[in-house]
Order: sequence, then C-alpha cells, then structure tokens
Amino acid sequence: GAVVSQHPSRVICKSGTSVKIECRSLDFQATTMFWYRQFPKQSLMLMATSNEGSKATYEQGVEKDKFLINHASLTLSTLTVTSAHPEDSSFYICSAREKKTSNNSPLHFGNGTRLTVT
Amino acid sequence: RKEVEQDPGPFNVPEGATVAFNCTYSNSASQSFFWYRQDCRKEPKLLMSVYSSGNEDGRFTAQLNRASQYISLLIRDSKLSDSATYLCVVFSSGSARQLTFGSGTQLTVLP
Repeated sequence: GAVVSQHPSRVICKSGTSVKIECRSLDFQATTMFWYRQFPKQSLMLMATSNEGSKATYEQGVEKDKFLINHASLTLSTLTVTSAHPEDSSFYICSAREKKTSNNSPLHFGNGTRLTVT
Repeated sequence: RKEVEQDPGPFNVPEGATVAFNCTYSNSASQSFFWYRQDCRKEPKLLMSVYSSGNEDGRFTAQLNRASQYISLLIRDSKLSDSATYLCVVFSSGSARQLTFGSGTQLTVLP
C-alpha cells in the first residue's frame, strides 16, 4: 500500500537553531501534502498545505517565515522550523494524498517527528 | 460552529462491549469521509473509509447519513487493543479548507 516516510522521527535541538523535516511519498505521487502539529493530548492541527511547484498555503496563525515549506517534487515536501524555541516542541506529522485517485482516496500519514527544543 | 464535531468522550467501556461514535459535519458539499485511529504518541492510521451504503470490516461498521450530515463508527465486541483516539476526517473539494479533522474521541477498553 501507499507509504509516506517522514524523517527524522525524533530530534532534539537547541533554542535558536533550525530543524528540517522531510516527508516522502515512497510509491505514489502526491501533488499535495499536508503538515500538522499535535501538542500532547490535543488533536491534529493543520499548519499548512504544501503544493508541488507552488507556494504553500498556511493556516491562520501559522507563521510562514518560521515554518518554511518546500515541495520541490511530487514525492518530497520539507518543513523547516527556523529559529526554534521551546514552545515549538511538538509532534509534527505530514500526510499526502495520491495524485491520480478519486476523492475517496484516503490520506497517508508519515510516522511523525517529535521535536524537542531545549 | 466547528466544521467537524465529534463526541467529546472519553469513552471507557468493558471488554466485549459495543460502542458507537458519531461525527457531524457542517459542509453539505463534503465528499469523502474517513475514520482514523491514533495511538498515543503515534501518527493516525486509516481505519476505514465511509460510504453512503455503509461499510463493515470485521467488528467495525461505518455509516454515513448525508441528510443529517453525520458519520458513525460502531465497534462490536471491544478488545483491549481498540483503546485509542478515533478521528473522523472530512474532505470537501472547493472549500477553503479541504481536509478537516474532528478533535478525536478517546476510547479506553477496560479488562
């Protein structure tokens, strides 16, 4: 079945540094990928929608200059958390939908990245 | 009103019980519906798609009621391994936000 690979699965960084998270669709093409954030005991929150070859669409309240998204190919999207702060510590998850299928095609999720900023 | 609303939970049920979750959506143009389960500190995993005709997969049955704009998930003969958070997901093409997640319903199956 369709697989989405997310890397790294866990990262600890110091405040002020930047962290890049990769999201790859391994056996299908995804024109659109989604980035979510989830704080403990809370639901997934959509941060941005990443479109291949164009600018990402950010949800209200999400700083586009802080969370840089690059969707350079049909199989890769990256999220860079710039100048990370402790409050950015969270579980970040990407998901993708297959390009050519119908509206009934489900989302496939990456396995998530647990970011801890010290 | 939220676009997608779920039973607040948490649901604590004994093993073997039958439990049902509902999820209502506000956009009548919504096209696709899914149930995902999320275990603690893990990514969501697709449980099943939801079709108008209803669909069943083992102990799990999903229903869609377009007239009343809700979907449901029924779990029969609950197992301890069913303990998780269940998320409903609604896809609406053409709207500003295509994919909307419910806030999730936490289920704990007790021995």
